[in-house]
Amino acid sequence: NAGVTQTPKFQVLKTGQSMTLQCAQDMNHNSMYWYRQDPGMGLRLIYYSASEGTTDKGEVPNGYNVSRLNKREFSLRLESAAPSQTSVYFCASSRTSGGDNEQFFGPGTRLTVL
Amino acid sequence: GENVEQHPSTLSVQEGDSAVIKCTYSDSASNYFPWYKQELGKRPQLIIDIRSNVGEKKDQRIAVTLNKTAKHFSLHITETQPEDSAVYFCAASGGSGSWGKLQFGAGTQVVVTP
Repeated sequence: NAGVTQTPKFQVLKTGQSMTLQCAQDMNHNSMYWYRQDPGMGLRLIYYSASEGTTDKGEVPNGYNVSRLNKREFSLRLESAAPSQTSVYFCASSRTSGGDNEQFFGPGTRLTVL
Repeated sequence: GENVEQHPSTLSVQEGDSAVIKCTYSDSASNYFPWYKQELGKRPQLIIDIRSNVGEKKDQRIAVTLNKTAKHFSLHITETQPEDSAVYFCAASGGSGSWGKLQFGAGTQVVVTP
């Protein structure tokens, strides 16, 4: 099993450009998440999907949109990138929507917005 | 919503000594407390977790304690080794209205010197 995979690994954008970060999991998990990680701020939840067909905002959703394409895939879109969105982005998944299930993380995407 | 504070932000220990990281949480309804380890350039990975019906849990050299009354929990690493050098994150979930979302602390950089 590959676990949670993300593409791309690195990306450089200019202010105002758009892009989509892709995430897929092969563990048959129901729930998926997108986080951003900034120095000294831990992991902050952007959006999550409790189950296929549902999405909801997390702590820092402004400037992002998501799509739960199917049970395996959960994408994150930046419509008009800003320098404040320079960060490392992690996708994660967990077995159920219950809060006490381990979240498995992807390898991350390092995004720089110039 | 839930707020998790983590201390210290950096911790330097000599190989063989013990390391302790402390976290406090604000929502008394939170009931799941995982700890993640993130090595440089890698993804966060779960190392141990504890639920609110348990006061202490051990796994080889690591242990977690939970004090529900005081709303704090701690990670203890004994006989530290160089491979314990990493950033450690605590998290909490299960509180009021949180569904399964994890609220992470800001992280502790642990450096183990030989």
